[in-house]
Amino acid sequence: AQSVSQHNHHVILSEAASLELGCNYSYGGTVNLFWYVQYPGQHLQLLLKYFSGDPLVKGIKGFEAEFIKSKFSFNLRKPSVQWSDTAEYFCAVLFGGYQKVTFGTGTKLQVIP
Amino acid sequence: DTAVSQTPKYLVTQMGNDKSIKCEQNLGHDTMYWYKQDSKKFLKIMFSYNNKELIINETVPNRFSPKSPDKAHLNLHINSLELGDSAVYFCASSQGYGGNQPQHFGDGTRLSIL
Repeated sequence: AQSVSQHNHHVILSEAASLELGCNYSYGGTVNLFWYVQYPGQHLQLLLKYFSGDPLVKGIKGFEAEFIKSKFSFNLRKPSVQWSDTAEYFCAVLFGGYQKVTFGTGTKLQVIP
Repeated sequence: DTAVSQTPKYLVTQMGNDKSIKCEQNLGHDTMYWYKQDSKKFLKIMFSYNNKELIINETVPNRFSPKSPDKAHLNLHINSLELGDSAVYFCASSQGYGGNQPQHFGDGTRLSIL
């Protein structure tokens, strides 16, 4: 069965540190990929998405993600995090031929000033 | 203007009661969803509707009944509430039902069962 894995459940970084959050999926077909962010007490917001084309996609607030098909991965990166990036980050995948998006279990990022 | 609005924001009630959560979107989207987020932040889809037609109905107890009076509204009614129903329920909307369009989420309804 298709699945989405986020292995980092809780990440703690100091401001200005670089960030990489992992997202892996299990499916051999076409995928559409998303990263959402949920700031404390707020709703989920789209950070970036990949449908096709350049596997390196840039999103809002300086975030980017790279789709590596051979590794079934879509890791989220940011070169220098800020305290305001403290939030929960969710990877989501639409598996080709299916109509629902499957969310990962989320990674809680805590940035220390 | 709130794009996807849910009411109420908080709902505290006793086991066995029946309650409803309302959701409205003003984005002109034709697809709406209900998700349940448990205490571990796991987000799981429950239902989706496209133009008032049920598209996705996950393995959800039949105590949960969605109703879509029009494509801008998707309400969730829950009968005979149980302790395990305690969670945050998110409504979302998107354009198209293929799932390949970004979803816009509401602020969530935190349901607590006493």
